[in-house]
Amino acid sequence: GQQVMQIPQYQHVQEGEDFTTYCNSSTTLSNIQWYKQRPGGHPVFLIQLVKSGEVKKQKRLTFQFGEAKKNSSLHITATQTTDVGTYFCAGPTSGGYQKVTFGTGTKLQVIP
Amino acid sequence: DSGVTQTPKHLITATGQRVTLRCSPRSGDLSVYWYQQSLDQGLQFLIHYYNGEERAKGNILERFSAQQFPDLHSELNLSSLELGDSALYFCASSANRDPYGYTFGSGTRLTVV
Repeated sequence: GQQVMQIPQYQHVQEGEDFTTYCNSSTTLSNIQWYKQRPGGHPVFLIQLVKSGEVKKQKRLTFQFGEAKKNSSLHITATQTTDVGTYFCAGPTSGGYQKVTFGTGTKLQVIP
Repeated sequence: DSGVTQTPKHLITATGQRVTLRCSPRSGDLSVYWYQQSLDQGLQFLIHYYNGEERAKGNILERFSAQQFPDLHSELNLSSLELGDSALYFCASSANRDPYGYTFGSGTRLTVV
């Protein structure tokens, strides 16, 4: 079945450093979604990318969808302690939207 | 408050027992999804309902079942519980069958002792 892997699994950064997480799917995705889960919290939807090569920005966060629509990345510029959490990418299974597979997640720790 | 309500927030039960987790989706959302998250693990898709009908199944055990009622709330039933079923169970809802982002509830933490 479809697999969605993220690297790295964990990342510790000093506050102010940049951070990037990469998402790779075993199959082509019609779209990719990103979520953030704070410690002890629930996943919160951040953004959806649909077009090949699409880049979207939300303040210090930059999201990119690969040309082949099999990979994506999330880049955070100048991390802050409020960025702490686990970042998940998610994509629908091939052939339908009824099931979205979440990636393995990247847990970000920001050291003040 | 995300608009998705899950009850109870915490549940402690013994092995072999049966529990029911409840989810009320965000107003207007017809789709309900159930996910399981074990400690420090990812989100494992269990099942999706749309307007009362089952639409997709993931790695849901035969001991688990779910349904969505006419008022769109959903229940996840877990029976013959085992220690390994201890996890966070999230419900999420979306507006239609083509998700444009899920809205998650705060989850039910199930502990099986």
